[in-house]
Amino acid sequence: QSALTQPRSVSGSPGQSVTISCTGTSSDVGGYNYVSWYQQHPGKAPKLMIYDVSKRPSGVPDRFSGSKSGNTASLTISGLQAEDEADYYCCSYAGSWVFGGGTKLTVL
Amino acid sequence: QVQLVQSGAEVKKPGSSVKVSCKASGGTFSSYAISWVRQAPGQGLEWMGRIIPILGIANYAQKFQGRVTITADKSTSTAYMELSSLRSEDTAVYYCARDLPELQFYFDYWGQGTLVTVSS
Repeated sequence: QSALTQPRSVSGSPGQSVTISCTGTSSDVGGYNYVSWYQQHPGKAPKLMIYDVSKRPSGVPDRFSGSKSGNTASLTISGLQAEDEADYYCCSYAGSWVFGGGTKLTVL
Repeated sequence: QVQLVQSGAEVKKPGSSVKVSCKASGGTFSSYAISWVRQAPGQGLEWMGRIIPILGIANYAQKFQGRVTITADKSTSTAYMELSSLRSEDTAVYYCARDLPELQFYFDYWGQGTLVTVSS
């Protein structure tokens, strides 16, 4: 399986919204509703932010939302805050797991 | 509350092997699956393989087939990842992470990570 494709970086100002895309194929993202998103701050372990495309675990702010269309999944963060600055990884289950290359979010 | 605690950092010579442990507490270990995910310096996450301890069955990413062995000891709620024939490109932080077989297809708990450095 090839890694899912994410933009290397995105940025936004506090209060704005940003969307991070994650493109795969019909064999992974497009074929299963098992896309998850992880936030990773420097030197820390990844943290689950979205699962099953659009569900939020308890404790994750509702500013974080997920969606999918065809072979592309998206993570949208609204009302950007300074603490949202981190790396974000998408992941798809397709019999095994494949991650995206990661997107660095900068809050300006 | 599930907690995954990994063993400490390792420095290994090229060609040698490393074995990293992941001890689980909270929840029911026999109901988990434990995956291993690595992250090379400045790079992204890479899934290596997974074990379902209650079944003792492991499966591996094709890239690591033949070089990685994932095992679990139900008596101590500990999973292990052994990587052999180490090369410099294996220098990375190795994480264990939990999912629930057939119930959830995502990783809700992660270990703190173990840095493995391969250097002569």
